[in-house]
Amino acid sequence: NAGVMQNPRHLVRRRGQEARLRCSPMKGHSHVYWYRQLPEEGLKFMVYLQKENIIDESGMPKERFSAEFPKEGPSILRIQQVVRGDSAAYFCASSPMGQGTNNSPLHFGNGTRLTVT
Amino acid sequence: GESVGLHLPTLSVQEGDNSIINCAYSNSASDYFIWYKQESGKGPQFIIDIRSNMDKRQGQRVTVLLNKTVKHLSLQIAATQPGDSAVYFCAENKYPGSNYQLIWGAGTKLIIKP
Repeated sequence: NAGVMQNPRHLVRRRGQEARLRCSPMKGHSHVYWYRQLPEEGLKFMVYLQKENIIDESGMPKERFSAEFPKEGPSILRIQQVVRGDSAAYFCASSPMGQGTNNSPLHFGNGTRLTVT
Repeated sequence: GESVGLHLPTLSVQEGDNSIINCAYSNSASDYFIWYKQESGKGPQFIIDIRSNMDKRQGQRVTVLLNKTVKHLSLQIAATQPGDSAVYFCAENKYPGSNYQLIWGAGTKLIIKP
C-alpha cells in the first residue's frame, strides 16, 4: 500500500448523484489501474490508464462510468447518476511502467468505500 | 469457464503453527499467480507471486506451491503470528503475459487463535 493515495476514504452519495474518486499514484509512476471490490469478493479489474491515455477499459461498465489520468494531478474515477449497486470499495494501483508478468506486482492504495443511499 | 476458487472460506490456526491456504484455478492459459493479503479497511497487500515455469517459490515465512497438473495453488505461512490475521486472496492472470487483469478468488479468512 505504500505510496498510492486514494481519497476520500469513505464517500456517501444519494441515488442519482455523481461520485468522484481520486487516486494519486506513487511518485514517478505513470500507469494507474482501477479495481472494484464487493463485500467478501475479490477485486475486479475496471480500467488501466497511462498519463492522458486509456490503455484498457474492458472492465468498465459502458454507461455512467468514466476514468481519466491527466498530465497533471490525480487519476479520477467518475460515476454519474449512482445507483445502489455501485456501492463497493474502489481500489487503485500504480506502476512505473506498463504491466507484464516480467514486471513487479501491483501495489494498491487503501481504497475508497462508496455507499449509495 | 475461468474461475479461481478457494476450498475453505475460514481457516483457524493456533498461533505458532503453520497455515496452509489452498486455491483451485481453471484457466490453463494462466502463466502468473499471485497471493494478496487484505486486512480490514485496507487495500490488498502483495505477499508472493509465482510464474507458471516454477513449482515453488519462497519468501519470508511464506511459500507458494503451484501444481499445474491439477490446477492447484497453495500458500503456506510458517509460524503463524497474530498479525497474519486477514483475508487471503489468490489470483491468476486472465491473459498470458499480463499481470493486471487478474481473476481473483473469493478469499479465505485466516483466524489466529492465541
